[in-house]
Amino acid sequence: EAGVTQFPSHSVIEKGQTVTLRCDPISGHDNLYWYRRVMGKEIKFLLHFVKESKQDESGMPNNRFLAERTGGTYSTLKVQPAELEDSGVYFCASRQRGPDGYTFGSGTRLTVV
Amino acid sequence: QQQVKQSPQSLIVQKGGIPIINCAYENTAFDYFPWYQQFPGKGPALLIAIRPDVSEKKEGRFTISFNKSAKQFSLHIMDSQPGDSATYFCAARGTSYDKVIFGPGTSLSVIP
Repeated sequence: EAGVTQFPSHSVIEKGQTVTLRCDPISGHDNLYWYRRVMGKEIKFLLHFVKESKQDESGMPNNRFLAERTGGTYSTLKVQPAELEDSGVYFCASRQRGPDGYTFGSGTRLTVV
Repeated sequence: QQQVKQSPQSLIVQKGGIPIINCAYENTAFDYFPWYQQFPGKGPALLIAIRPDVSEKKEGRFTISFNKSAKQFSLHIMDSQPGDSATYFCAARGTSYDKVIFGPGTSLSVIP
């Protein structure tokens, strides 16, 4: 079974530019999550999709962040315009129905300079 | 506000030692407590998890101890090996919402 795939693995952009991160969940997983780890702190929840619908977006830091999940398959997280404090590692995870079984991707390391 | 506290921030032990990582939570609605292991360049991977109706769970060399009244739980790694060197995150989740709340992580180094 293929795991959760994220790309790019690294991205370096200038402040004010736009970056789009992509996540391909495990096939058949309805639940898709985005998390972020900033500067060695805890991994923080950003949002949760169930299929193509946003179930919980309470962790999105501000309106510069836009997440979409086309047709309930892959998801994108766009940051526009990027700020220095957006630097960190962005993780995507997916889960089938049921309480357990989170699988995380390897993350995208975003550096805003 | 940090809902899951974790200590120590970093830990160095010799091979064969028993590193212990401690966590505490505040929200009594949490009912599932996973531990994740993360190697450099990889995402967190579920290592072991416990529910609050048991006080201990063991899987191989990894043991979770859980104290519901104190709202504390800990991870013990028996006979630690250099391959156990990684960052460990304790976490918590509730049934009313399934986002995972992570602790800040512990960087473990096991030296030969």
